[in-house]
Amino acid sequence: GENVEQHPSTLSVQEGDSAVIKCTYSDSASNYFPWYKQELGKGPQLIIDIRSNVGEKKDQRIAVTLNKTAKHFSLHITETQPEDSAVYFCAADSGGGADGLTFGKGTHLIIQP
Amino acid sequence: NAGVTQTPKFRILKIGQSMTLQCAQDMNHNYMYWYRQDPGMGLKLIYYSVGAGITDKGEVPNGYNVSRSTTEDFPLRLELAAPSQTSVYFCASSLTSGNTGELFFGEGSRLTVL
Repeated sequence: GENVEQHPSTLSVQEGDSAVIKCTYSDSASNYFPWYKQELGKGPQLIIDIRSNVGEKKDQRIAVTLNKTAKHFSLHITETQPEDSAVYFCAADSGGGADGLTFGKGTHLIIQP
Repeated sequence: NAGVTQTPKFRILKIGQSMTLQCAQDMNHNYMYWYRQDPGMGLKLIYYSVGAGITDKGEVPNGYNVSRSTTEDFPLRLELAAPSQTSVYFCASSLTSGNTGELFFGEGSRLTVL
């Protein structure tokens, strides 16, 4: 089955700096890669996703890049703000049925004032 | 819209007790899921359902049961609770299959088994 590795587990950056979180996946058949943000005491919420026919996608301060050859994808957050502090999860599908999302273990992003 | 609603938010069980975590969604989604989240381990799929009357096992189904009698409700049953079931449980739903579209999560149910 699919295996998703996520790094780092904790990332601390100064407010205004950029943050990058990286994920690798194992199943070359995967073609959907979402990112979820989980704030303290809440459920995860989709912030951006990318499909295998696209190399990069941007939404304001958030961007995701995908390298299918190397089987890795990354989340980039620019001009970080205090409200960006949260746990971020990457995920990948395996092209299978409804259970096809495999999640990484999460990155705790801390924005230092 | 309430979205995905989970009850209870917190519960303490003794070893061997049973309980049901409730999940309801008001978005008319066919797909529903139960995940558990353990510290530093991400989200693991317990059970999922593609529509009323249809359920299937995920990655970690042992010790749990589900039913889906209506589109709206997807309760998770814990039989003979064990300390290993101490976790935060999330219910989610989606309009299309979870590997093609957005999952909408509830706020979670924190369960402690002592």
